[in-house]
Amino acid sequence: NAGVMQNPRHLVRRRGQEARLRCSPMKGHSHVYWYRQLPEEGLKFMVYLQKENIIDESGMPKERFSAEFPKEGPSILRIQQVVRGDSAAYFCASSNQVPSGNTIYFGEGSWLTVV
Amino acid sequence: DQQVKQNSPSLSVQEGRISILNCDYTNSMFDYFLWYKKYPAEGPTFLISISSIKDKNEDGRFTVFLNKSAKHLSLHIVPSQPGDSAVYFCAAKGSGNTGKLIFGQGTTLQVKP
Repeated sequence: NAGVMQNPRHLVRRRGQEARLRCSPMKGHSHVYWYRQLPEEGLKFMVYLQKENIIDESGMPKERFSAEFPKEGPSILRIQQVVRGDSAAYFCASSNQVPSGNTIYFGEGSWLTVV
Repeated sequence: DQQVKQNSPSLSVQEGRISILNCDYTNSMFDYFLWYKKYPAEGPTFLISISSIKDKNEDGRFTVFLNKSAKHLSLHIVPSQPGDSAVYFCAAKGSGNTGKLIFGQGTTLQVKP
């Protein structure tokens, strides 16, 4: 997990507030992936980004969720008007190219709690 | 529509014995399969992977077997150690220009001293 930095590690938001989760990929990596893990479930793919481009957002909820990976700075996963069902662990992963096997590295995760 | 399934939520083995974790998939277009280990409050850590053109890959105590005709793969850990106690996720990667992984639900392994 070394190298993929996520912050904050823990975030508490009231219903209706916005949550912003940040991910700095491993040095030299230009591909970023976001996954969500709900309690007692596996990780679910949300979005795949390269610098300034969204490549695959097939796992993103249609409303309230957005992601970006700007030319400079970390990737941001933004959740507007949070609801209790958004409470989950959000994991970011990065790779330096379209991976063939063992080249995807995960961060430690950001735990969002909506109260 | 669960494309990757781990049907055993938990497994308990004695230290020194073999642990066998199983995974089934439905999509024959997956080109890579990966196993991750995860501790509570941490991110998944890559363990071992196998290409769809292989049937076995070994790395130290870890061996992954792939049976394409049965759409089944398994992770063998031998000998099992108490430090192996964690949640193990099977994941599959689609072919083509994507790094998107499809994960199973996970199996919690407990290795008893």
